[in-house]
Amino acid sequence: QVQLQESGPGLVKPSETLSLTCTVSGGSISSSSYYWGWIRQPPGKGLEWIGNIYYSGSTYYNPSLKTRVTISVDTSKNQFSLKVNSVTAADTAVYYCARRPSSGSKNWFDPWGQGTLVTVSS
Amino acid sequence: DIQMTQSPSSLSASVGDRVTITCRASQSISNYLNWYQQRPGKGPKFLIYAASSLQSGVPSRFSGSGSGTDFTLTITSLQPEDFATYYCQQSYSMPYTFGGGTKVEIK
Repeated sequence: QVQLQESGPGLVKPSETLSLTCTVSGGSISSSSYYWGWIRQPPGKGLEWIGNIYYSGSTYYNPSLKTRVTISVDTSKNQFSLKVNSVTAADTAVYYCARRPSSGSKNWFDPWGQGTLVTVSS
Repeated sequence: DIQMTQSPSSLSASVGDRVTITCRASQSISNYLNWYQQRPGKGPKFLIYAASSLQSGVPSRFSGSGSGTDFTLTITSLQPEDFATYYCQQSYSMPYTFGGGTKVEIK
């Protein structure tokens, strides 16, 4: 059973870069059957899709964040990562990593990690 | 972007009640609609895909319906573990978007 676990600093200063890693266990990130994604949830608010990556490195980003976001994959470590540049308080959120089937119509996320809270504050 | 609107934003119900949550898309999304359950402090759990197909392992008291712009999630005979927040998500086009959530609380 595949499990995902987010890790990274819980506090980031404004204007700096937020960096998170998702470690995949119980399955290979190099599977051609899946994309790997990031979704965030500001405190008390709804969910926002950030972007997806394929094991080959192909990426898809939410246009609202595209200029500040980079998602990368490290198949040797079975991990993928998220970087958000020039963060502000609006980037304070619980960040989730999740798996998405690569079959064209199956654009859902399952499973999800437990999430990690990142606070942007000086 | 396709906007997803859920109603109500919260509701109170008792164990054994039937609960219906509505999700409306700002444009037609055919049946590209998924539902998730989120318990406090946990990541969302995938429940239903393609508007009405139950994910493996999800209890049959959960059901979904709808097509086009209007969708519903129904929980028959609410159980204690069902008290949570529910989100819809459109998978018709990127960027994938979610509804604002419906919190199901104990009456």
